[in-house]
Amino acid sequence: DTGVSQNPRHKITKRGQNVTFRCDPISEHNRLYWYRQTLGQGPEFLTYFQNEAQLEKSRLLSDRFSAERPKGSFSTLEIQRTEQGDSAMYLCASSLFGTRLNEQFFGPGTRLTVL
Amino acid sequence: GDSVTQMEGPVTLSEEAFLTINCTYTATGYPSLFWYVQYPGEGLQLLLKATKADDKGSNKGFEATYRKETTSFHLEKGSVQVSDSAVYFCAHPTQGGSEKLVFGKGTKLTVNP
Repeated sequence: DTGVSQNPRHKITKRGQNVTFRCDPISEHNRLYWYRQTLGQGPEFLTYFQNEAQLEKSRLLSDRFSAERPKGSFSTLEIQRTEQGDSAMYLCASSLFGTRLNEQFFGPGTRLTVL
Repeated sequence: GDSVTQMEGPVTLSEEAFLTINCTYTATGYPSLFWYVQYPGEGLQLLLKATKADDKGSNKGFEATYRKETTSFHLEKGSVQVSDSAVYFCAHPTQGGSEKLVFGKGTKLTVNP
């Protein structure tokens, strides 16, 4: 049994560079969520997919951010022209929508540091 | 709008002490309520859940009861262990649509031997 996996686990980049993160959800899960967690705060919702369709984006997701889930399986989150304020833990979660609880299972996160 | 308020940490206890972490929420309707735990360097793990009023969620000695009248879901454990040291998050999903989770800020617990 494999849970949600995320790669890379850590990313250090210089301001202005582009970065891309990957999330592999639990295989039968049809929903995939991205959250951002800054130091001392709880995770905040960024966006989610149901199958391959991106159905909602938070106001936190500026136009420098883009997310895809091309075949309804893995997802990528790209940040263009990174800024120091983008430094955070990016968490991915997946769930099987349609079950009673729609419980979300989280990956280990990708910690981004922008220098 | 939807929100979750947790007691501020950090909380430092000695092993075998009693733990309470307060959580209150604001939501439309009566959502399911969750406690997640985050161990150092790891992602979030679901600790326990309750789906309706007066439900008690429990796991690994932790308990929390869904109190509709006080909109609360306080986490308790009778005797903490060093291995319980972690950050604890209270959360609930928004109703309908995305069902995205709304989290509190987290409470860091340190248990000393």
